[in-house]
Amino acid sequence: NAGVTQTPKFRVLKTGQSMTLLCAQDMNHEYMYWYRQDPGMGLRLIHYSVGEGTTAKGEVPDGYNVSRLKKQNFLLGLESAAPSQTSVYFCATTMLEGGSGEQYFGPGTRLTVT
Amino acid sequence: AQKITQTQPGMFVQEKEAVTLDCTYDTSDQSYGLFWYKQPSSGEMIFLIYQGSYDEQNATEGRYSLNFQKARKSANLVISASQLGDSAMYFCAMGPSGNTPLVFGKGTRLSVIA
Repeated sequence: NAGVTQTPKFRVLKTGQSMTLLCAQDMNHEYMYWYRQDPGMGLRLIHYSVGEGTTAKGEVPDGYNVSRLKKQNFLLGLESAAPSQTSVYFCATTMLEGGSGEQYFGPGTRLTVT
Repeated sequence: AQKITQTQPGMFVQEKEAVTLDCTYDTSDQSYGLFWYKQPSSGEMIFLIYQGSYDEQNATEGRYSLNFQKARKSANLVISASQLGDSAMYFCAMGPSGNTPLVFGKGTRLSVIA
């Protein structure tokens, strides 16, 4: 089992360019999340999904869009990248019931916007 | 709303000694979980230990133990017999609450000195 994977691992964008980050999981978890991590700020929630076809805003949703067309995939889109979106992005998943709420993390995507 | 506070931005500990990383939390929920994650310099998020709010005994996992004091709303991580490989960022988290995921603190950077 691969667990939680993220594509790509690294990316450099120019201001105004767009891109999509892919999170894929093979654990059959219902819940999926996108976080960004900036120095001294910890992990901040961007968007999350409680199931296929559903999405919700987190703490810092502006400038991002998400989609959950398939249960195993959660896409994070940047329509017009800005230098303030330079960050490390983490995807995480958790099961709906029967667990402690522990989140399983992907390896992260390091994004630089110039 | 749930909130996690980690007041130690950085800590140093001598190899083979024990160290305590502080975590306080705030919540109005009766049922919740407390988690600690480790993030080494390689960047991945590694789950260490979990404590449920109704668990009467403190959680332990190998060299990690969670000192849970419910009345004080604290969930400190104790690492015994520190090793050089313990040098990393450590994040305290709590949740989940309904559909919303874990809330993370800003982290403590631990440096183990030989």
